[in-house]
Amino acid sequence: DAKTTQPNSMESNEEEPVHLPCNHSTISGTDYIHWYRQLPSQGPEYVIHGLTSNVNNRMASLAIAEDRKSSTLILHRATLRDAAVYYCILRNTSGTYKYIFGTGTRLKVLA
Amino acid sequence: EPEVTQTPSHQVTQMGQEVILRCVPISNHLYFYWYRQILGQKVEFLVSFYNNEISEKSEIFDDQFSVERPDGSNFTLKIRSTKLEDSAMYFCASGMASGHTKAFFGQGTRLTVV
Repeated sequence: DAKTTQPNSMESNEEEPVHLPCNHSTISGTDYIHWYRQLPSQGPEYVIHGLTSNVNNRMASLAIAEDRKSSTLILHRATLRDAAVYYCILRNTSGTYKYIFGTGTRLKVLA
Repeated sequence: EPEVTQTPSHQVTQMGQEVILRCVPISNHLYFYWYRQILGQKVEFLVSFYNNEISEKSEIFDDQFSVERPDGSNFTLKIRSTKLEDSAMYFCASGMASGHTKAFFGQGTRLTVV
């Protein structure tokens, strides 16, 4: 299973954009980049995913490097409710499609 | 949006007892998963289930664990003889048979073994 590397923690001020980086230098051509987050005492929650092109949805944007060896999750305006652990996970298009969670980035949002 | 539901939300059991954790996955999903998260640690994969059989399991998923989908809707995780170290949050998830769709996770069952 291809691995990802994320900073352990980050801080952001409320209402400001947040850029959460992820390195995945061993990504294969068939791996999708998925982002999930886990709010305190809750199950993992889907945020966004992509393959090669940048993606936007109502929660966030995903910027994928041209060589696909890194990606960045962008929260356009952080709110206190965005405080969570954010996981960057590679998901293959074959096998059992399981997620392998790393330690993620704990995002702290300051009021 | 569809939801994966898990019951109970909290289960307390005595060491050595059997527990069954229940999950109702999303109805048209094909893959089902169990994960666990020990307090303060990362989410760990236990097992995946497809076409009424285990498709993959981790080293954690030993003979004390079993899964089944008895009635086509519920998906259960059984721990035969619980140990103190089985205390954790257990998450059920379900998804389609592809890597380019998202999986949905339940809110978890907190298992406390005393």
